[in-house]
Amino acid sequence: KAGVTQTPRYLIKTRGQQVTLSCSPISGHRSVSWYQQTPGQGLQFLFEYFSETQRNKGNFPGRFSGRQFSNSRSEMNVSTLELGDSALYLCASNGQGYNEQFFGPGTRLTVL
Amino acid sequence: AQSVTQPDIHITVSEGASLELRCNYSYGATPYLFWYVQSPGQGLQLLLKYFSGDTLVQGIKGFEAEFKRSQSSFNLRKPSVHWSDAAEYFCAVVAPMSRDDKIIFGKGTRLHILP
Repeated sequence: KAGVTQTPRYLIKTRGQQVTLSCSPISGHRSVSWYQQTPGQGLQFLFEYFSETQRNKGNFPGRFSGRQFSNSRSEMNVSTLELGDSALYLCASNGQGYNEQFFGPGTRLTVL
Repeated sequence: AQSVTQPDIHITVSEGASLELRCNYSYGATPYLFWYVQSPGQGLQLLLKYFSGDTLVQGIKGFEAEFKRSQSSFNLRKPSVHWSDAAEYFCAVVAPMSRDDKIIFGKGTRLHILP
């Protein structure tokens, strides 16, 4: 069974730009979660999508948004990038909720 | 709201020595508890989880963890570490009976192995 795919793996943007990250979950999984990982704040939950609906949301500003498509692939978007958005963005594919959560390798975003 | 604390930012042990990584949580009831490992440049891999039942949980790669309700702890142990265990370890908690059932991660403990 193929694992969780995240694209791109690395991204460099400048302040004020926007960025879209993509996540393809494990086949058959209908839920995807997104996390931001930084040295200072650690791992923080962004949002979770299940069957194209946002089911849960973390404490991030509205610049962070996401969506899920009918094939369960998910995208997250960050608009008006700030330096502090530099982070590793992890996507997790959820089988039976947290009982079965598989992480992708992440997208490393650098904002200059 | 639930929270999780990993008191040790870095831990160094010699190869072959035993290991214990500490994790303390804050939650009024019994939470769901997890340990994840992250190798450099990789995503997270689930080592083990506790939902209920036997308080000693066996995981992958020879790891185990013990849930102690009285101490609000879920420490990770391994009797003999290998150089390949060098990584960052994250404890996480979910409050299953809460409206806010997001997973909360600790700040992580980076494990260094001496040859």
